[in-house]
Amino acid sequence: DSGVTQTPKHLITATGQRVTLRCSPRSGDLSVYWYQQSLDQGLQFLIQYYNGEERAKGNILERFSAQQFPDLHSELNLSSLELGDSALYFCASSSDLGNIQYFGAGTRLSVL
Amino acid sequence: KNEVEQSPQNLTAQEGEFITINCSYSVGISALHWLQQHPGGGIVSLFMLSSGKKKHGRLIATINIQEKHSSLHITASHPRDSAVYICAVSSLNNNDMRFGAGTRLTVKP
Repeated sequence: DSGVTQTPKHLITATGQRVTLRCSPRSGDLSVYWYQQSLDQGLQFLIQYYNGEERAKGNILERFSAQQFPDLHSELNLSSLELGDSALYFCASSSDLGNIQYFGAGTRLSVL
Repeated sequence: KNEVEQSPQNLTAQEGEFITINCSYSVGISALHWLQQHPGGGIVSLFMLSSGKKKHGRLIATINIQEKHSSLHITASHPRDSAVYICAVSSLNNNDMRFGAGTRLTVKP
């Protein structure tokens, strides 16, 4: 158990809908990362937060947004969902910038 | 060309063999990561390194910054080592991470 909690584990929804994925980092970790893993594109970095502030941005679509709250949990919001958004979404946390990351078990999103 | 290239894509070994997975990258990096993804999907960070060599149990990771190359070695491989091994780099410019396509390792008893 990495100590990183992601909910829900599975999510099935329809095109055009909006969903929120939640991540609770390991106790004491200030940095949260979001990744997308799809069958055709592999793992991709989406966004990173450190202590509530956005620190790095990767291949995150404009339809996606994220935030980190004062209690350090993070949410990834995906809107106007398309079939191609079906993927595994991972959250990871680290104690500081540049430290080893601990991954959650992922949320499997299926858009039908 | 991908910024992070791994080889081989697939690797099958007999239990007990010494295994090497290679990773080359073309961007400036602050660190290189080796990840292990189990058949169930879970991801574990194995190593994060910016120079030299690190060892953890039967796993050894090395990096050559000048050649922009890293290797992951597994000694005395075991069927439970069967997984996808992913190389990733933290970009120097903006801290985002770039991933290799992964190496699928199967260790047969």
